[in-house]
Parts: sequence; C-alpha cells; structure tokens
Amino acid sequence: SQTIHQWPATLVQPVGSPLSLECTVEGTSNPNLYWYRQAAGRGLQLLFYSVGIGQISSEVPQNLSASRPQDRQFILSSKKLLLSDSGFYLCAWSPQDRAGANVLTFGAGSRLTVL
Amino acid sequence: QKEVEQNSGPLSVPEGAIASLNCTYSDRGSQSFFWYRQYSGKSPELIMSIYSNGDKEDGRFTAQLNKASQYVSLLIRDSQPSDSATYLCAGSLSGGYNKLIFGAGTRLAVHP
Repeated sequence: SQTIHQWPATLVQPVGSPLSLECTVEGTSNPNLYWYRQAAGRGLQLLFYSVGIGQISSEVPQNLSASRPQDRQFILSSKKLLLSDSGFYLCAWSPQDRAGANVLTFGAGSRLTVL
Repeated sequence: QKEVEQNSGPLSVPEGAIASLNCTYSDRGSQSFFWYRQYSGKSPELIMSIYSNGDKEDGRFTAQLNKASQYVSLLIRDSQPSDSATYLCAGSLSGGYNKLIFGAGTRLAVHP
C-alpha cells in the first residue's frame, strides 16, 4: 500500500530564516505531488504541483519554491521566511492514471510558525 | 477566479440526527468532487468522491451531485460525536489539470 511521509511535523522559525519541508511517497511510481497551505481558519491553498521529476508548476507568486529531485520526493523551500508564511503545510499525492488523478492523499502536515 | 463555496458553520446537530453539508462551485467544467474530513490539528482524509449526477452512498454517508445547479452535498446519517470535524468540499479544475480547488470547510459539531 502507499504511504506518504512528511517532516518536520512542527517548527518555529524566525523571520528571514530559511525553510525546508520534505515529503516522500512509498509504494507507488510516478505520482502527482502537491504542496498545499492552510492558514488558520482558512481553506487549502494550492502552492505547487508536480507531474514528474524536475517538473514544477507554481500556483501563486510568493517567496516559496519547490523541487522534485527524485520521483517520490517533493521539497518545499524558502530562502527568507515572512510572517505571512505561517500555516499548516500539507503534502499530497495522487495517481497519474486518469481515473485516480484527482484523488488526493495527504501527509500528516507540517505546522510552521514564523515569529 | 474559480471557487468552491461552503458555509463555515458551525453546524450543530444532536447525536443520531442527519447532518447536511452543502457546497457550490463556480467552474462549470468541473467533473470530479470530493468530501474530506479534517479533525482539528490533523490533515484531511478522503471520505467520499462523486463524479456523476445523483446520489452515491457509502455506509452512513451519502454524497449528492447536481451539475446543472453546480451543487454538491454530503449527508451524514445517524451522526455521532466522532463525526465532529471540519468537512472540506473539493472540485477538480477543468482544462485537463490534475488539481483540486477546496472550499474553506464547514465545521460540524455533533452533541450527545
């Protein structure tokens, strides 16, 4: 069966510091991968999605970036965090096949507080 | 701007009652719709998907889709306190992209 791992679970970072969140998927090949952010009391905002190694699509302009160095690894980064980057970051995957392409499975999430 | 709208709630229902959660969407080309449950502090988990007009039942859950009215709903029968959570409605974006747009969620509180 497929498993998605996301870490770290919680982090507190000062404004201007760098960020790296990592996500890996097991038990499947060539998944679609996604990074979402959920601000307090808000819905899920799609930040990035990837359909393959090195293929990243950005949904919103921001100081965040994403990379996919391996088939089942997805990394969210920032060089300098802003207060507004605080939130609950969720990695998700979906199958590539047409029937399942929209069925997202989420990781446990990473709660980021920027002070 | 393509959107999915939900009433934020809270929707409060007594234990054993039917909870009715509603959602509207703006992208007329959306084909796939999903309901996710999110407990406080946790990540969303998929509970229902629906792709065709009509009803789809799974245990105590029934999803309803009306594409003409651009309306999706979720009914929870025999509501339990463990159903208390935020329910997120999501719809696929038209245009061939593998992406979902989520509503802000409806908070459901089931009281004993």
